[in-house]
Amino acid sequence: RKEVEQDPGPFNVPEGATVAFNCTYSNSASQSFFWYRQDCRKEPKLLMSVYSSGNEDGRFTAQLNRASQYISLLIRDSKLSDSATYLCVVNQSSASKIIFGSGTRLSIRP
Amino acid sequence: GAGVSQSPSNKVTEKGKDVELRCDPISGHTALYWYRQRLGQGLEFLIYFQGNSAPDKSGLPSDRFSAERTGESVSTLTIQRTQQEDSAVYLCASSLSFRETDTQYFGPGTRLTVL
Repeated sequence: RKEVEQDPGPFNVPEGATVAFNCTYSNSASQSFFWYRQDCRKEPKLLMSVYSSGNEDGRFTAQLNRASQYISLLIRDSKLSDSATYLCVVNQSSASKIIFGSGTRLSIRP
Repeated sequence: GAGVSQSPSNKVTEKGKDVELRCDPISGHTALYWYRQRLGQGLEFLIYFQGNSAPDKSGLPSDRFSAERTGESVSTLTIQRTQQEDSAVYLCASSLSFRETDTQYFGPGTRLTVL
């Protein structure tokens, strides 16, 4: 089993829709969690950190469920510019490891 | 201010040759990371530096790979006797430190093609 797993997609949704995807992790000792966004042939960029209480940044909401070992990302009122690959990142600083998921591809259509 | 820079941006080499990839992190960032991303795949964590030392080198794919960092600044990733399977984009990132909440900032990557 991979240490971090994501549904590869692609998710193809119309503009304005709400879309959500999850990421599961296998190591319960994982300590911090992030969502990164990667556009085609570009480097990843931080979208948001994920906190235990859940956090929101505009149209984006991230949640962490430690009991079930997953994090989620919800995008409301999706825009064409949201089309990208979304990477889940798990930091196991006690083990000196940072693990990226393979990414979920999102495509927003007009 | 300047972000993370990497050079070269593209490198084409013949199988069996050695290559050296360079990363200049953001000034003042003590942590530096190397990743590999094959076409259409996720990021594979290779190694990180805290200062000039790498606490764990087990992520390097083989003994043909080595990395060093000097002056808590520039890092080089060296691949000896390159193989076609080494073809990928090699990404470098830096952060203030290797703490849980430190954001990583990525460079544009070096696209390595081994013929």
